[in-house]
Amino acid sequence: DTAVSQTPKYLVTQMGNDKSIKCEQNLGHDTMYWYKQDSKKFLKIMFSYNNKELIINETVPNRFSPKSPDKAHLNLHINSLELGDSAVYFCASSQDRGQSFFGPGTRLTVL
Amino acid sequence: AQRVTQPEKLLSVFKGAPVELKCNYSYSGSPELFWYVQYSRQRLQLLLRHISRESIKGFTADLNKGETSFHLKKPFAQEEDSAMYYCALREYSTLTFGKGTMLLVSP
Repeated sequence: DTAVSQTPKYLVTQMGNDKSIKCEQNLGHDTMYWYKQDSKKFLKIMFSYNNKELIINETVPNRFSPKSPDKAHLNLHINSLELGDSAVYFCASSQDRGQSFFGPGTRLTVL
Repeated sequence: AQRVTQPEKLLSVFKGAPVELKCNYSYSGSPELFWYVQYSRQRLQLLLRHISRESIKGFTADLNKGETSFHLKKPFAQEEDSAMYYCALREYSTLTFGKGTMLLVSP
């Protein structure tokens, strides 16, 4: 009955690889997001998707590409991983002016 | 320009002491402000939103438009309050977070 789920929970990979993180929400929300939390615990919005359309891209490198196959899913693809991509990535969803619900996070470590 | 400022990276108090986590914002319209909490290695959870004006886990936060502040307060801290606290401003549908304040409550 988890509201927002992400897989995998941990991801360890080499520089230069391509990886994906999956996110699913069962709340029926229209808007989904990806946030990045860096090593200093700073949280920043990366992407926002509303009804399968990208509405915000906050100066994120184009190696990062969100893909939304349907309203309940927003996956994050990362190409040519770099050391600086190491962070915790949080997926979230919301509906209209309601609160945002966050996933458990995916801890990405790039070696 | 930073829209949400949390001036303290770390706030350390003893159990039973009052707590105030500061948050100031910069926004030209009517702000929507939130406090989120992240316990150790857990997901972010909504703690408070200014429109609800309620008390959750003994915490309250009042929006002061004159001072552009939304400080989080609790009269008597508990050890289980130890966590990372984020103040957030909602613009359109996305949240802009402050840098967070780590609250440590010692026995």
